[in-house]
Amino acid sequence: DAGITQSPRHKVTETGTPVTLRCHQTENHRYMYWYRQDPGHGLRLIHYSYGVKDTDKGEVSDGYSVSRSKTEDFLLTLESATSSQTSVYFCATLGTALNYGYTFGSGTRLTVV
Amino acid sequence: AQSVTQLGSHVSVSEGALVLLRCNYSSSVPPYLFWYVQYPNQGLQLLLKYTSAATLVKGINGFEAEFKKSETSFHLTKPSAHMSDAAEYFCAGSTGGGNKLTFGTGTQLKVEL
Repeated sequence: DAGITQSPRHKVTETGTPVTLRCHQTENHRYMYWYRQDPGHGLRLIHYSYGVKDTDKGEVSDGYSVSRSKTEDFLLTLESATSSQTSVYFCATLGTALNYGYTFGSGTRLTVV
Repeated sequence: AQSVTQLGSHVSVSEGALVLLRCNYSSSVPPYLFWYVQYPNQGLQLLLKYTSAATLVKGINGFEAEFKKSETSFHLTKPSAHMSDAAEYFCAGSTGGGNKLTFGTGTQLKVEL
């Protein structure tokens, strides 16, 4: 979706290094989400934001932190990357009401070696 | 808590045959339910959604789904499969708390000649 940009699209990093993934939206959506996608697990929620500086944990938040200093940007940080965090990470946004459904970015493929 | 179960991680159909992808939810209240499609190396695209307005929901690309409260199901169907339907399909649901979606583990649809 042209309104959501994830960067980088691909990254290889070493175990123990910090990594930051960026989600940028031009939709002025209030809600933003970070999910990870793994085979056999579908998508699992890591963290989400319901406004600037307002964030909360999802079901798989250990080892991750987030920040949202402005409406358009939602950053996901792996504090010390581990091989278990090798995954595809998706950002999603929601405007006003859940009945509209999420809009997804194209994903970031992260490999931790 | 809301959970979503997709039966069958892989489904194979012949071109022109009926497509049936199964999704069951667990919730004490009628939830919001969604079907998303993911093509290789892309993000998720909304196919259709149930938001209590109608039990039979029509989506894009000829897909539809029927919400059956008695069976706690929201199965996705398409009368005639096309090669371009080959993709991974995700069912997702929410009771609205925090506007968070819970995803099923996905069903990979293969369409054969």
